[in-house]
Amino acid sequence: DGGITQSPKYLFRKEGQNVTLSCEQNLNHDAMYWYRQDPGQGLRLIYYSQIVNDFQKGDIAEGYSVSREKKESFPLTVTSAQKNPTAFYLCASRTHPLAGSYNEQFFGPGTRLTVL
Amino acid sequence: EDQVTQSPEALRLQEGESSSLNCSYTVSGLRGLFWYRQDPGKGPEFLFTLYSAGEEKEKERLKATLTKKESFLHITAPKPEDSATYLCAVQARGFNKFYFGSGTKLNVKP
Repeated sequence: DGGITQSPKYLFRKEGQNVTLSCEQNLNHDAMYWYRQDPGQGLRLIYYSQIVNDFQKGDIAEGYSVSREKKESFPLTVTSAQKNPTAFYLCASRTHPLAGSYNEQFFGPGTRLTVL
Repeated sequence: EDQVTQSPEALRLQEGESSSLNCSYTVSGLRGLFWYRQDPGKGPEFLFTLYSAGEEKEKERLKATLTKKESFLHITAPKPEDSATYLCAVQARGFNKFYFGSGTKLNVKP
């Protein structure tokens, strides 16, 4: 089954802790994205990566970090510097941005992070 | 500034009562407009991609249309299982970023 998996589904964090959210895809997609979704708001882009070992900040990157060591994996770390991390986090992927066609993003099931 | 606005924020319909959802956008050269369905607590599910004004796409009871300034998602004779939040997103030419609206929450009553 091809798709995007995110783990864990629910995550609880204490104040001052760093936590890492996992995102794995077996779609052979080149580009991967992390979004944050808050109630009543659209998805906001945190980071995106077009190829392995390269990534760019999105609109709300402060307090977050990512790595892209493998094509299949794009983990997101929520650091203690993120002041309001409670949200629903979504990972997405798509084929190579320069593939010559306008390719939609496909999303994982999400991780709900709650700060205690 | 690239922007996406969806209306209404919420829509309540009776089963069988057709209606439309709106997605207005301002973007510096549209590369694609995307519609997604999102159920509570789940990731968005891809529905349609529209590339140019005048284009239409259909899937079951849903039909998406596109003009130079907005897109509509028409729902014909909806059923309770169509209840969900519908998200619209746009991608500008030359960029790999997508801009999302805040969604329309559709509730279809039996």
